[in-house]
Parts: sequence; C-alpha cells; structure tokens
Amino acid sequence: AQRVTQPEKLLSVFKGAPVELKCNYSYSGSPELFWYVQYSRQRLQLLLRHISRESIKGFTADLNKGETSFHLKKPFAQEEDSAMYYCALWYQGGKLIFGQGTELSVKP
Amino acid sequence: NAGVTQTPKFRILKIGQSMTLQCAQDMNHNYMYWYRQDPGMGLKLIYYSVGAGITDKGEVPNGYNVSRSTTEDFPLRLELAAPSQTSVYFCASSYPGTVNEKLFFGSGTQLSVL
Repeated sequence: AQRVTQPEKLLSVFKGAPVELKCNYSYSGSPELFWYVQYSRQRLQLLLRHISRESIKGFTADLNKGETSFHLKKPFAQEEDSAMYYCALWYQGGKLIFGQGTELSVKP
Repeated sequence: NAGVTQTPKFRILKIGQSMTLQCAQDMNHNYMYWYRQDPGMGLKLIYYSVGAGITDKGEVPNGYNVSRSTTEDFPLRLELAAPSQTSVYFCASSYPGTVNEKLFFGSGTQLSVL
C-alpha cells in the first residue's frame, strides 16, 4: 500500500544549525512528492515540490528513488522556520496522502 | 477571491447525530479533497474528487459520504457521528488538471463528538 513515513515527531535545533527532516515513501510507480508547511495558526501551504527542483526559503529536497526518500534540508535554520512540516505523495490520478508530520523547533 | 471556505469552524455533535461540513472554492479548481487531522497522526485523506460528478475514497472513508454536484462545492456528510470522528477537518483544492501545482487549504472545521 502507498504510504508516507516521517519518523521524527519533533526535531529541535539551535538557530544556525543544519536541519534535515526525513521522509520515506512507499509507492511502486513514479512518485510525485511535496513538502507542505503549517506555521502557527496558519493554513497548510506548499513549501516545495520535487518536480520543480526549487529552493524555497533556503529549503531543498532531493528525491532518492533508490532509498525511496525525499528528505527536506536547510543548511542554517532560522527561528521563523519553526512549524509543522508534512511530506506528501501524489499518485493514482488525484490521490494526495500525507505523512504524520514533523514539528521543527528552532531555538535562539 | 475567497479561496477555499469551510463552514462551520466549530461544531459539537452528540453520538448518533448527523451533519454536513461545507466546503466551497471560487478558483475553478477541478481537484478537491477532504482530510482529517488528528494529533500525532498527520492528515488522513477521507475522500477526493477530480471533477464534478466524480468522487473516490481515500485512506479513511468509513463513516463519511461526499458529493460533487458542482465544481465549486464539495460537502462532507457524517452519518451517525461517533467519538472516533472527533477531529479537525480540512478541505483543499488544486489547480485544474494537475495537483503538481499547489494545494489550497481551508481554515478547518473542529468537530467534537460527545
């Protein structure tokens, strides 16, 4: 069955430290993967998608089909990066499923 | 341009009652989704629709029903509410033809079943 796994519920780092939020997926076809972010008291919003290979707010994510991973990385965390981060998989002509989410806390 | 509008924002139901969560979007999006968000569980897909008249089950459809008679509206019906349906419900929509662009979320409906 298709599944998205984010193994860390909470990730706590200090400002300026590197950040890596892990995401693994299970899907036999060609995946379309995304990262969404939810800041406090705001709606979920798209952070980035693998197909565009973009960098948003300093975050990047590389699809590794061999390891079935799509980890989110940022070299220097900022306090304003504190939020819930969700990895998502789109497949089967319209289904979009999410992982359990990782709360990132960046301490001053 | 209102985006995705969900009503109500809060609701308390008694066990066995029924209700409809409303979702409307004014962006002419073909794709619409219903998710529930439980603490520590992330978002679970309940139902989705790729266009008017077309709906399909997601990961957790039991206890829910949907309809999509128009492009704009995608209501979620709870029949015989149970405490396990206590959750925050999110509706979302995406650009016509592809979800590779961006998913727009509503502000959520907090539902308690007591």
